Amino acid sequence: DQQVKQNSPSLSVQEGRISILNCDYTNSMFDYFLWYKKYPAEGPTFLISISSIKDKNEDGRFTVFLNKSAKHLSLHIVPSQPGDSAVYFCAASAWTGNQFYFGTGTSLTVIP
Amino acid sequence: GAVVSQHPSWVICKSGTSVKIECRSLDFQATTMFWYRQFPKQSLMLMATSNEGSKATYEQGVEKDKFLINHASLTLSTLTVTSAHPEDSSFYICSAKYRASYEQYFGPGTRLTVT
Repeated sequence: DQQVKQNSPSLSVQEGRISILNCDYTNSMFDYFLWYKKYPAEGPTFLISISSIKDKNEDGRFTVFLNKSAKHLSLHIVPSQPGDSAVYFCAASAWTGNQFYFGTGTSLTVIP
Repeated sequence: GAVVSQHPSWVICKSGTSVKIECRSLDFQATTMFWYRQFPKQSLMLMATSNEGSKATYEQGVEKDKFLINHASLTLSTLTVTSAHPEDSSFYICSAKYRASYEQYFGPGTRLTVT
């Protein structure tokens, strides 16, 4: 049972425009959410996170929004750059142990 | 900080042999380490979670006798693929976290090819 879902396997965006990547989860026990970026044949790198006590966290061009009632989070990248082209995974964690669940990933392509 | 290394980065082995992959946290003590497997164009699949000094907890469907995980110290975990077969060929990634952290820090991955 996939507790964290990314329904868009791929996304193409023009350079300079906004990229919006979405993620849905089902487990209401999740209280911390993270986004990771992954290039082919490399391990994921941490991008940004948000605690369930917040609804927005911003770091430079990256902003994560959390809607707890909808069990939905999104990652906004503004402006998008060609170097942002990668697979983005959202992940959710519950501080009841080491539960840590990844979504299926969204492949972002930023077109120059 | 929070650097995780994996060795080797790429390994080719013959069917029926065993191969060991090491995962090290270089600048922090990893109380928990995770092993993932990624198939081409697919998501990361959590294989097992290991706490230092304890037996690993395997996810459903993962053969614990085939994928031996050892987390003997706070900086080292190993994954041994025993009696490897071509279907075990994959990209294996480890990650590590320290006790007070939510974030997992990932290694660069190991590409295993079984011929």
